[in-house]
Amino acid sequence: GESVGLHLPTLSVQEGDNSIINCAYSNSASDYFIWYKQESGKGPQFIIDIRSNMDKRQGQRVTVLLNKTVKHLSLQIAATQPGDSAVYFCAENGGDSWGKFQFGAGTQVVVTP
Amino acid sequence: NAGVMQNPRHLVRRRGQEARLRCSPMKGHSHVYWYRQLPEEGLKFMVYLQKENIIDESGMPKERFSAEFPKEGPSILRIQQVVRGDSAAYFCASSPEGARTYEQYFGPGTRLTVT
Repeated sequence: GESVGLHLPTLSVQEGDNSIINCAYSNSASDYFIWYKQESGKGPQFIIDIRSNMDKRQGQRVTVLLNKTVKHLSLQIAATQPGDSAVYFCAENGGDSWGKFQFGAGTQVVVTP
Repeated sequence: NAGVMQNPRHLVRRRGQEARLRCSPMKGHSHVYWYRQLPEEGLKFMVYLQKENIIDESGMPKERFSAEFPKEGPSILRIQQVVRGDSAAYFCASSPEGARTYEQYFGPGTRLTVT
């Protein structure tokens, strides 16, 4: 029979507004997290990372917040632009000392003019 | 400095054929990771290799799949006797030595279609 694909959660944002993308991670042993951006037909692109000894980290137009108590991660994009349209994944390391990452299912961000 | 390169970008195979996917890491990187992505899903870890060694293959199916990273040349992910369920995008990532192994740089992927 046919397989039914999962539909990604979608966040529609007006150009210029701020975006907040949420992620619930699963492994309490994870101590390193990354947000990736994936445009259609391309590989994931690193956006920002955060270690578990921090609860906030800022980059250029992006901020990652980590709440270890509830195992929640968020990515905030300031002044969202059309080029920000993509699928965004959070990834956790599961406590491994090397880079074996577990990826979330992803959120589709659509920026409207 | 060229990024991670993968070829072919698109590969079509009939059921029962073999698929060979190649990955050339970034210059100076000696760690390679393979991930599989089904449509509208996140990436799933398959295998982690260093030169001539498989470090972790816990995400690799036990049958039909194998990976290598020889001393010279690209890393190869090999799928024997492909089935329709193998249709997916396969991504390779590489990272440098030491504490920076977390910094994984992804290639553009190979999209495998099994007919």
